[in-house]
Amino acid sequence: QLQLQESGPGLVKPSETLSLTCTVSGGSISSSSYYWGWIRQPPGKGLEWIGSIYYSGSTYYNPSLKSRVTISVDTSKNQFSLKLSSVTAADTAVYYCARQVVGATIDYWGQGTLVTVSS
Amino acid sequence: SYVLTQPPSVSVAPGKTARITCGGNNIGSKSVHWYQQKPGQAPVLVIYYDSDRPSGIPERFSGSNSGNTATLTISRVEAGDEADYYCQVWDSSSFWVFGGGTKLTVL
Repeated sequence: QLQLQESGPGLVKPSETLSLTCTVSGGSISSSSYYWGWIRQPPGKGLEWIGSIYYSGSTYYNPSLKSRVTISVDTSKNQFSLKLSSVTAADTAVYYCARQVVGATIDYWGQGTLVTVSS
Repeated sequence: SYVLTQPPSVSVAPGKTARITCGGNNIGSKSVHWYQQKPGQAPVLVIYYDSDRPSGIPERFSGSNSGNTATLTISRVEAGDEADYYCQVWDSSSFWVFGGGTKLTVL
C-alpha cells in the first residue's frame, strides 16, 4: 500500500522560505505515469494545487504561485520537496503531498501537515 | 485560468438523494474527479473520470458530466456521508484545478 508522509517545520517566519519534504513508501517515486505534487488548504478554506514534479524532474506549477515555488525530487531517497519563498500569513495552511496521475486525478494523499506563518 | 464553480452547501435528509454540481466552461469535454473530505482528514477520491468508482467506494456514489456541468450524486444518503466534496479537472493551461468545495449536511 502506497504511503506518503510530509515532514518539515510547523512554524515559519514571514518573509522566510517554507520547506517541506514528502517521503514515499510502499512504491517507487520513479513509476511512470505519475506526478508527485503538493496541495494546500488554508484553515476553513478549499484545496489549492501548488505544483507537481515527475521523477525525471519535469515540473508543473500553479501560475499564481510559480514565482515563489520550487519543487525538487530525490529518487535515491524516494522523496520530493517543496520550497515556497517569501511567505506571508496567507500561506498558513495544511500542506498535503500527493500522487497525481498524469493529466488526471490524485489517487494517494499524505495525511497533511499544518504550517503556520507567524513571527 | 480555468474556473470550477460549486455551491457552498447542500443539505439532504437521510435516505434521500444528494446532488452536488460543478460548473465550468465546456466541462463536458474534460474528465472530472470528485473527492470527499471529512474534518481533520485528507481528501479521498470517490469518483474519477466522470463516473468511475475506486474500489471500496459504495455504489451509492455516482457521477455524470455533460455540457457545462458535472454532477456528483449520492443515493440513499447516510449520516457518514456528511463531508466537504471537491471536484477537480486537468486543464492544459491551469493544470490541476479544484472547485471551491461543497459542504454536504445530512439533516
